[in-house]
Amino acid sequence: DVKVTQSSRYLVKRTGEKVFLECVQDMDHENMFWYRQDPGLGLRLIYFSYDVKMKEKGDIPEGYSVSREKKERFSLILESASTNQTSMYLCASEQGARGYTFGSGTRLTVV
Amino acid sequence: AQSVTQPDIHITVSEGASLELRCNYSYGATPYLFWYVQSPGQGLQLLLKYFSGDTLVQGIKGFEAEFKRSQSSFNLRKPSVHWSDAAEYFCAVGTSGNTGKLIFGQGTTLQVKP
Repeated sequence: DVKVTQSSRYLVKRTGEKVFLECVQDMDHENMFWYRQDPGLGLRLIYFSYDVKMKEKGDIPEGYSVSREKKERFSLILESASTNQTSMYLCASEQGARGYTFGSGTRLTVV
Repeated sequence: AQSVTQPDIHITVSEGASLELRCNYSYGATPYLFWYVQSPGQGLQLLLKYFSGDTLVQGIKGFEAEFKRSQSSFNLRKPSVHWSDAAEYFCAVGTSGNTGKLIFGQGTTLQVKP
């Protein structure tokens, strides 16, 4: 089975900090995604990547950036964390339009 | 633009009763359709998917879904609900191209009464 691993389940960061959320997949998938999930808003796409060093903005990229230096790793970066970025962050990977495999999520609290 | 609507935000059913969760999509071409389940505090798990062919698809945990093109629907069903099915359920549609990007509905929370 494909595994998608998010490095932290829970994070607490201070306003203004630079925050790195890491995601690693072990099945050589080309496509990787970062979503945030908020009550009543469902899943919203922040960024996705379809190859190493390739990235595209999703629906809500403001305040975020991403890095994909290796195929298996896709990092989400909050340049200067703000309280409105408190959320559940979900990473996913997929290949061949077969559907996503999700990580367990990182619940980020910005204080 | 593609979109997915799950009309029911919250549903409560009794254990042993049948279940149907509704999903309607808007997409110009033949869609790829998915149902995911999320237990509290967890990531999403794929229940089933439709790409083409037989419009009734079987998934894990006894779930099935039927694709109805004329109604732009992909409703999820289960004949007899178990208490462990209490979770949030998401319908998603796949867009064209090879990026595999999905658009998700807002989710339906299922509560199961004993």
